[in-house]
Amino acid sequence: DTEVTQTPKHLVMGMTNKKSLKCEQHMGHRAMYWYKQKAKKPPELMFVYSYEKLSINESVPSRFSPECPNSSLLNLHLHALQPEDSALYLCASSLSTSGRSSYNEQFFGPGTRLTVL
Amino acid sequence: AQSVAQPEDQVNVAEGNPLTVKCTYSVSGNPYLFWYVQYPNRGLQFLLKYITGDNLVKGSYGFEAEFNKSQTSFHLKKPSALVSDSALYFCAVRDSEDDKIIFGKGTRLHILP
Repeated sequence: DTEVTQTPKHLVMGMTNKKSLKCEQHMGHRAMYWYKQKAKKPPELMFVYSYEKLSINESVPSRFSPECPNSSLLNLHLHALQPEDSALYLCASSLSTSGRSSYNEQFFGPGTRLTVL
Repeated sequence: AQSVAQPEDQVNVAEGNPLTVKCTYSVSGNPYLFWYVQYPNRGLQFLLKYITGDNLVKGSYGFEAEFNKSQTSFHLKKPSALVSDSALYFCAVRDSEDDKIIFGKGTRLHILP
């Protein structure tokens, strides 16, 4: 299995809702990532998990809360979002995050298209 | 700090012609360079990478890239373009100090039939 899956594909939510995005991979990768991508822009890194521990938080607002329950799953919990948070949310994974493995490519999921009303 | 630049917002190429998508980089140490492609409403797909060794790197779908240390460039190339190559292409550099990938702004490639 060489793919990263994300659910749901589309999500529409109000500013008072609580929802979660899910990401799963079964490639044995121990690094997992959340990105936010606006239209026609490059992905912006949000969070990095290394061996199920949060290793990088790119100063993301607390209304986004990541969780890594195990080495195959990554969640992004959403609460009290703003309309400007509407974007494509991409999950990715790679083999490792150690310095000697920083040459490993990332495998991306298809993304969740989020619309905040 | 590491960075990559993609100087062209859009590249138009006639089908069957060779294509080049440009990328230049700036790193403090050894560069780990990547090319990704994104089709509409999809995630990014890995095309190829340069870590060390041969300056000409071959990747997926007939793409290749040439690493040029003196010009700090990593241009993506294909000898004969297909209409299906039309997509958004991102050059990226991996930061050796942490685990971030830094993406260029992207170049939209249009292959004209």
